[in-house]
Amino acid sequence: GDSVTQMEGPVTLSEEAFLTINCTYTATGYPSLFWYVQYPGEGLQLLLKATKADDKGSNKGFEATYRKETTSFHLEKGSVQVSDSAVYFCALSPFTGGGNKLTFGTGTQLKVEL
Amino acid sequence: SQTIHQWPATLVQPVGSPLSLECTVEGTSNPNLYWYRQAAGRGLQLLFYSVGIGQISSEVPQNLSASRPQDRQFILSSKKLLLSDSGFYLCAWEGLPGGSGYGYTFGSGTRLTVV
Repeated sequence: GDSVTQMEGPVTLSEEAFLTINCTYTATGYPSLFWYVQYPGEGLQLLLKATKADDKGSNKGFEATYRKETTSFHLEKGSVQVSDSAVYFCALSPFTGGGNKLTFGTGTQLKVEL
Repeated sequence: SQTIHQWPATLVQPVGSPLSLECTVEGTSNPNLYWYRQAAGRGLQLLFYSVGIGQISSEVPQNLSASRPQDRQFILSSKKLLLSDSGFYLCAWEGLPGGSGYGYTFGSGTRLTVV
């Protein structure tokens, strides 16, 4: 079945450091890929997405590129801020149609310190 | 624009008591809806999904059930709660506000503590 593997956390960085959170996936066909962010005590917010190979999703300084050859969708940010502290989830959906189940990674907690 | 609402935000219930969590979506019709649970320190587990009124698919056998009595309403229930039912419950709609492409929108969640 479909699966998503994320790097273990927590990841602790100093403000303005470069961030990479690795995400790899296993899926048949051509899934859509997502990064969601969960701030403390809140629900999940869509951060960015990519629906086909080589697409780059970007939002709020975060980027991720859909790499089919390496089945990866790594999240990057050039300069993190304290406000970026949250849990980040990588996820995939098997199709771009309806009734598709979103499969999540286990989440990676990011802590950004001054 | 489409929105998803979930309530209550927080709930403390004794073991053996019933549960009812509600999720509604506004601004769209015939949405695909999902219930997820996030146990403490863990990832998200899909519990149920529904592609229409009265259509429920269960992913994991457990102490919970779901119903879709109206097109834009999705309810998560239990007759008798267990301690292991504690967690953060999230409802999701397969869509994005404003039709901004493909994706899923989540409600703000219900934190359930069974005591």
